[in-house]
Amino acid sequence: EPEVTQTPSHQVTQMGQEVILRCVPISNHLYFYWYRQILGQKVEFLVSFYNNEISEKSEIFDDQFSVERPDGSNFTLKIRSTKLEDSAMYFCASSERHGGEQYFGPGTRLTVT
Amino acid sequence: SQQGEEDPQALSIQEGENATMNCSYKTSINNLQWYRQNSGRGLVHLILIRSNEREKHSGRLRVTLDTSKKSSSLLITASRAADTASYFCATIYQGGKLIFGQGTELSVKP
Repeated sequence: EPEVTQTPSHQVTQMGQEVILRCVPISNHLYFYWYRQILGQKVEFLVSFYNNEISEKSEIFDDQFSVERPDGSNFTLKIRSTKLEDSAMYFCASSERHGGEQYFGPGTRLTVT
Repeated sequence: SQQGEEDPQALSIQEGENATMNCSYKTSINNLQWYRQNSGRGLVHLILIRSNEREKHSGRLRVTLDTSKKSSSLLITASRAADTASYFCATIYQGGKLIFGQGTELSVKP
């Protein structure tokens, strides 16, 4: 069964460093999302992406964040200068159609020290 | 405002019992989805119910939706220890983003 994959599973970085989190959505899906979950808190929407551009972004998704679909399969989230409060699980999701089921990857645990 | 607030926050039952989790939301929706998350893992989509549906079944799962009360419930029948996880409802907001609640932590004791 097709699934969303994410790499790495765990990333440790120092404050101020740039990180790139990678996702491979399900191949026939057109809508892509990033969410994050700070330990013990609810899952929060970051950004949605369709047709090679951002559809919507949350207040969390400030200028330090960017997304890219560099080729036909990968979808990346870049954090330019990480802060301690960026430590969280980051989930990528994709869906075949607008408003449909979203399928989540296993997540990348980002730890900023 | 918050969408998709679940109750109870935690539920502990014995294997074989039924588990019911409730979710309330505040704005009108097109559909509502339920997800499951095992500790430290990703989210698994369980079931989607559309705003014009009142009830939906999938295996041991039964979801109801009452749009007049802006509430949904997830019933897991004949629970198993493997059902131990956190369960979230999520509403689709404009643009397609999911808004999640805090979740219900279900513990099924063997």
